[in-house]
This record gives sequence, C-alpha cells and structure tokens, in this order.
Amino acid sequence: EVQLVQSGAEVKKPGDSLKISCNGSGYSFTNNWIGWVRQMPGKGLEWMGIIYPGDSDTRYSPSFQGQVTISADNSISTAYLQWNSLKASDTAMYYCAREVVIGGSRGPFDYWGQGTLVTVSS
Amino acid sequence: SYELTQPPSVSVSPGQTARITCSGDALSKQYGYWYQQKTGQAPVLVMYKDSERPSGIPDRFSGSSSGNTASLTITGAQAEDEADYYCNSRDSSGNLYVFGTGTKVTVL
Repeated sequence: EVQLVQSGAEVKKPGDSLKISCNGSGYSFTNNWIGWVRQMPGKGLEWMGIIYPGDSDTRYSPSFQGQVTISADNSISTAYLQWNSLKASDTAMYYCAREVVIGGSRGPFDYWGQGTLVTVSS
Repeated sequence: SYELTQPPSVSVSPGQTARITCSGDALSKQYGYWYQQKTGQAPVLVMYKDSERPSGIPDRFSGSSSGNTASLTITGAQAEDEADYYCNSRDSSGNLYVFGTGTKVTVL
C-alpha cells in the first residue's frame, strides 16, 4: 500500500529554521516525483515545487523560489521542505504528494500525505 | 505567472447536476486534473487526464476539456459531495504545476 507519512505539527518563532519531512513507502521512492503544496488558513492550494528523488532534479514555483528548499534522502525514502528563516506568513498546512506516471506520461498527484501544520508566531 | 480561474462557489440541490469550470491558457496543451478536499482532510484526486476517473471515484463524477477550459461535472449530486474542488495542470512549459483558485460546492 502506497503511503506518504509527514512529520508532526510545528510551532516556531519568526526567524527560526525548520525542516519538515515526508516518508514514502509501498512503492519505489526514487521513481516518482514528490511535490509540496501549501494551504494557508482558510485559503486554497498553492503548488510550491517538486523533486525527482532519482536524480534530485528540483523545480520551484516562481512564488516560492528562494524562499524554501526541497530535498530528498533516498536511503530513508524521505523528502523534505526546509526554511532558513520563517516568517509569520509561513503559517500554513503543508502537504506532500506523489506524482504518478500513467501510460508512460507524468500524471497527477495520486497519493497525498496527511499534512504538516506549521505555526509561526512570536 | 500562470493562473487557473474557477468560480468561487457552486450550489446544487441533491440529485441535480453541478458543473465546475476551470480556465487557463495552458489547458489547450496540458491535461487538467481535479481534486476534492473536504474540511480538515487532504485533497483526493477525482479526475485525471481531463476525463479519466481514478478507481473508487463514483461514476457521477465526469470531466471534459475544450479549448482553454476544463470542466468537472457531478451528475446526481449527493450530500457527501459537498467539498472544495481544485483544478490543476502544468504550465505551457510542462515543468511547473499550478492549482486553480478553488470552488466550494454546496449541496442543499
């Protein structure tokens, strides 16, 4: 069974650093892109970026380029989303999601993590 | 930057048909995907490649695409279909994704 399990909720102060994780199981982790999605309180889904664990190829939405870092550790089948200096506006739920390959073509996000709530407050 | 535009809300009576549209320039070249998100839950894929339904999704959900607009239709809406729905596609380069603005579907 494919599963994406994310790390637990975090409460941080402005200026803190943070790295949240997404552990994939039940499939070959290196063969599927993993994306990250932000959902601010009461707002819609925002696509942040995506990584291919097989070769660490990473793409970022222009809105998030330079604001976060996406990485992966294939030895433990885990993708990460990292901030160097959090702001109050980073308060949101963050989801990881697996991109599926359908008929040889990259497809939608078929499995999602449960979400990690990040709260940034002084 | 690339945008996908959806109506903020759609209301439908039980058993009737709801149609949600999603407009964006790249939809004429890229597939549209649709996700359902219920309150407090992670999104769930309900449609891919414009009109393909994942296993386990009821057949009252259908999808289509024409020109720059993708659509998700719920035929015979039920109370459990009340949720936020988001379209999703790649940009014209195929390298980046974007989500639509989201549509709240109310069944009443």
